[in-house]
Amino acid sequence: SQQGEEDPQALSIQEGENATMNCSYKTSINNLQWYRQNSGRGLVHLILIRSNEREKHSGRLRVTLDTSKKSSSLLITASRAADTASYFCATDGAGGTSYGKLTFGQGTILTVHP
Amino acid sequence: DGGITQSPKYLFRKEGQNVTLSCEQNLNHDAMYWYRQDPGQGLRLIYYSQIVNDFQKGDIAEGYSVSREKKESFPLTVTSAQKNPTAFYLCASSIAGVRKETQYFGPGTRLLVL
Repeated sequence: SQQGEEDPQALSIQEGENATMNCSYKTSINNLQWYRQNSGRGLVHLILIRSNEREKHSGRLRVTLDTSKKSSSLLITASRAADTASYFCATDGAGGTSYGKLTFGQGTILTVHP
Repeated sequence: DGGITQSPKYLFRKEGQNVTLSCEQNLNHDAMYWYRQDPGQGLRLIYYSQIVNDFQKGDIAEGYSVSREKKESFPLTVTSAQKNPTAFYLCASSIAGVRKETQYFGPGTRLLVL
């Protein structure tokens, strides 16, 4: 089964509003990443947060990580129509044996209306 | 212009036919990966390779085969043993090392069964 579970499955907002997506996982991790996928395209890396970090920013993106709750959130501020896409969290398991294998959640479909 | 290319963009398979999906990268990455994505789902790992002439099964390797004869290339063959091959296939690569972290994705190949 998937390591990551994302919530909500779909999110619809107006341009200018903030969008928050959540990700929960089951086992210890080295890091957690967020990726974006436009319809029918490949994934694009957005941001990586390590297990010893609690919050990270990149432009309009803010990611938090709570390892005690095994959860992460992605906040997109001042959303734009161009932010419309699917967003996936991916975890890189701890223990040094994962060899860079990422486990992806099922994704949140974000629709931003102009 | 560095990146990952996948071809073809669309591929049609007849019953009992083997088909091969191409993945090439010029990022000088040691590790390469193949994922399968079904509609509305996250990515599932098929095979991965950390170095030339070596590869490992992922979570859903049955009915697939790979080779890694060159650092730049990691072709995926969907064999006739894969009974439900219709999906979107994504290739990715990353820097070598235990903590490979960020993966870079190709644009994907959509496989359809005639």
